[in-house]
Amino acid sequence: EDQVTQSPEALRLQEGESSSLNCSYTVSGLRGLFWYRQDPGKGPEFLFTLYSAGEEKEKERLKATLTKKESFLHITAPKPEDSATYLCAVQKYNYGQNFVFGPGTRLSVLP
Amino acid sequence: GAVVSQHPSWVICKSGTSVKIECRSLDFQATTMFWYRQFPKQSLMLMATSNEGSKATYEQGVEKDKFLINHASLTLSTLTVTSAHPEDSSFYICSARSSGSSYEQYFGPGTRLTVT
Repeated sequence: EDQVTQSPEALRLQEGESSSLNCSYTVSGLRGLFWYRQDPGKGPEFLFTLYSAGEEKEKERLKATLTKKESFLHITAPKPEDSATYLCAVQKYNYGQNFVFGPGTRLSVLP
Repeated sequence: GAVVSQHPSWVICKSGTSVKIECRSLDFQATTMFWYRQFPKQSLMLMATSNEGSKATYEQGVEKDKFLINHASLTLSTLTVTSAHPEDSSFYICSARSSGSSYEQYFGPGTRLTVT
């Protein structure tokens, strides 16, 4: 059965304390893995797309990496404004264009 | 670029009435639009996929007659919740995929529906 899990469920960091969020997937025929950020009461905001193992993408304090079984979202020296829920989603071949979302990681960065 | 809007941002309606939610891609053409539902502290649940000019494809367990989807143009899709009941209260979010080759979905800000 296809599954997307994320860990930890929630994470509290002090400002400047770097860490990583994990997205593990068990799907056959991965077309792409997507990272989004969602603030409370808002729609998800697109961050990154990763298509193949070994690929890395960076944006400001965020860096996403992909292996054959998981993806990491590394946050370097986070700031309070990085507090949000981070969602990963996978898209499979032979599954149309649909995404399967993970449950998300709620990140809180304390000043 | 890649901006998606939704209207209204929140709506309160009485049980038994119908509510229409609009989703627009503002700066790109969206061949495919998606409708999601999200419960508090939960992830997004896909309800249906719609392609411009075609009938929507609904996920298992989603009532087609209750959640009517119309993808009338390359920039507009609507979701109508018919005969709404309190259990339909939720956060509804649309997303759109451009007609280009990338697979990213760009999400709207969401619509909070409360049925009293």
